[in-house]
Amino acid sequence: EAGVAQSPRYKIIEKRQSVAFWCNPISGHATLYWYQQILGQGPKLLIQFQNNGVVDDSQLPKDRFSAERLKGVDSTLKIQPAKLEDSAVYLCASGEEHEMFGELFFGEGSRLTVL
Amino acid sequence: AQTVTQSQPEMSVQEAETVTLSCTYDTSESDYYLFWYKQPPSRQMILVIRQEAYKQQNATENRFSVNFQKAAKSFSLKISDSQLGDAAMYFCAYNAGNMLTFGGGTRLMVKP
Repeated sequence: EAGVAQSPRYKIIEKRQSVAFWCNPISGHATLYWYQQILGQGPKLLIQFQNNGVVDDSQLPKDRFSAERLKGVDSTLKIQPAKLEDSAVYLCASGEEHEMFGELFFGEGSRLTVL
Repeated sequence: AQTVTQSQPEMSVQEAETVTLSCTYDTSESDYYLFWYKQPPSRQMILVIRQEAYKQQNATENRFSVNFQKAAKSFSLKISDSQLGDAAMYFCAYNAGNMLTFGGGTRLMVKP
């Protein structure tokens, strides 16, 4: 079974530039999550989708971050304009259902460096 | 807001020995779930073990077991017979509804 796919694996940009990350979850998984993991810290949830609807985006900095999940499958996370503090690994995860005890399956992440 | 605290930034264990990683959490909920995730250097996080708060029996998965103390809001992970492949970042996580909240992580080093 294919896992969660993310691209690009690495991205280096200048501040004020824009960047987009792509995630393809495990086939059939209804829930999809984007986490931000700053070096040395635990992942922090940015946004959660159930199919193509947003369940929770309370921690997404909406002035610069946006995310969509078209057709309830793939998702993109965009940052525009990027700031130095956005340097982090962006993790995508998916799960079978919107359940508290459900296991999340993570991708390898997209590492962003903002200069 | 729920918080998850891992007070040990780094831990070290000799191969074949036992190590315990600590985790405490703060919540006013009575029904929730707790998890330990492992993140090897390749960064793909995987689930190690999970515990349902309403179950008194501690969860066990092969060499991994937890000590769940609900009143103390403590959820520690014990790794027995440590192996070199256990070296990784370990994250404790909590879920009482929509959101999985992670602790800051503990880096485990395994000495041969």
